[in-house]
Amino acid sequence: AQSVSQHNHHVILSEAASLELGCNYSYGGTVNLFWYVQYPGQHLQLLLKYFSGDPLVKGIKGFEAEFIKSKFSFNLRKPSVQWSDTAEYFCAVMGGGGFKTIFGAGTRLFVKA
Amino acid sequence: GAVVSQHPSWVICKSGTSVKIECRSLDFQATTMFWYRQFPKQSLMLMATSNEGSKATYEQGVEKDKFLINHASLTLSTLTVTSAHPEDSSFYICSARASGRVDEQFFGPGTRLTVL
Repeated sequence: AQSVSQHNHHVILSEAASLELGCNYSYGGTVNLFWYVQYPGQHLQLLLKYFSGDPLVKGIKGFEAEFIKSKFSFNLRKPSVQWSDTAEYFCAVMGGGGFKTIFGAGTRLFVKA
Repeated sequence: GAVVSQHPSWVICKSGTSVKIECRSLDFQATTMFWYRQFPKQSLMLMATSNEGSKATYEQGVEKDKFLINHASLTLSTLTVTSAHPEDSSFYICSARASGRVDEQFFGPGTRLTVL
């Protein structure tokens, strides 16, 4: 069965600091990987996704993520965060039959102005 | 982009009653819809996968007789919480995947259910 682990539940950063959110997954087959963001009071939006090809994926709003197959990881990064990045971030894995997507527990990011 | 709506956005009901939540894809056809439950400060837990015209596939531990899912058309799926109890209070979120696409699902805004 698939599972997703996000290392940090809460992260507090100052503006302009760099961000890295960890995500590890457990699944033996081919996976597709996602990062979603949920801003306060809004619904989930896709930040970026990895299906194949270049393991370094660039998404919206300056976010990127790197798929490291040997480590079963898909960490999210941003060189310089802004106050508007305050949100909850979810790593998700899709694999196996049915193409269902399993979510990690989420990481709440608070960026201090 | 693709839009998914849910109705109602918030419902309060008495214990023992049934509540129906609708999920609609507004500008695309969705052969597959997913229902999630999100507890406060927790992640989304997949409840079931719904394919248009067929029975839903429930995740382990989810009572299919309690959470009835119907996906009668390519733009509408419904979740009915039958004989609701306070422990069913939660945030229910649906998502939809467009026909022929497996690379992205679009999420609805969620429905907050409070059972008194």
